[in-house]
Amino acid sequence: DAKTTQPNSMESNEEEPVHLPCNHSTISGTDYIHWYRQLPSQGPEYVIHGLTSNVNNRMASLAIAEDRKSSTLILHRATLRDAAVYYCILSALSNYQLIWGAGTKLIIKP
Amino acid sequence: NAGVTQTPKFQVLKTGQSMTLQCAQDMNHEYMSWYRQDPGMGLRLIHYSVGAGITDQGEVPNGYNVSRSTTEDFPLRLLSAAPSQTSVYFCASGGLAGFTDTQYFGPGTRLTVL
Repeated sequence: DAKTTQPNSMESNEEEPVHLPCNHSTISGTDYIHWYRQLPSQGPEYVIHGLTSNVNNRMASLAIAEDRKSSTLILHRATLRDAAVYYCILSALSNYQLIWGAGTKLIIKP
Repeated sequence: NAGVTQTPKFQVLKTGQSMTLQCAQDMNHEYMSWYRQDPGMGLRLIHYSVGAGITDQGEVPNGYNVSRSTTEDFPLRLLSAAPSQTSVYFCASGGLAGFTDTQYFGPGTRLTVL
C-alpha cells in the first residue's frame, strides 16, 4: 500500500498562511488524497480532498503536484483554532481503506 | 442529525474481561469503520464494513470482532482484553461513492486495560 510522509511538526504565526507538505511517492492512479485534522481530545475532522486538480473550499486549499507524488495543504490565514494535528491520507479504492500517516502537529503562535 | 455517536466515553477493564464498544450513525452511510489511536500516533484501522452484513479486516484486527446487522450500528467487541489494547477508539462513517466521500468521526472511547 502507498504511504504518506509528513514533517512531525510545524510552527506558524497567527494570521499568516501555512503550507503543510505531504509526500506520497508510491501513490497509485486511483488513490485520492485526503486531509483531516484532529484537535486535542477530539475525533478527526475532514478538511479537503482531491485526485489530480487543485481544490479549494472554505477551510483550505489543496495543491497537488503534477506527478501526484506530493501535495500541499494551504491554510490561507491561520488562527489559534487551527492548531491541530493534520493528517495527509490516501484512500485505496481497491480495498476501501484509508491509509493514515503520523501527521504534522501544527503550532500557531499568537 | 446526531452524526456518529459512541458509547461509552470512558471504560476501564481488567485483563481478560470482554466488552462491546457501541457505534451508531444516523446519516444512512454505507461505510463504517473502527480505528484505534495510541498516544502520539496516527490512526490504525481495525475493521470496516461496506454495508449491512459485510465486514472486513483492517490493519490490526487481532483481538477484536465486529458485526453489521443494520446500516446504523457497528459494534466493536473485545473478546479478552489485554493491556496492549489500551487506546482511544474511534468509529467513523461515510458514503461509498468510489470511497471519496467525507468520513465522519465519533468523539472516541478511551479504554484502559489493567
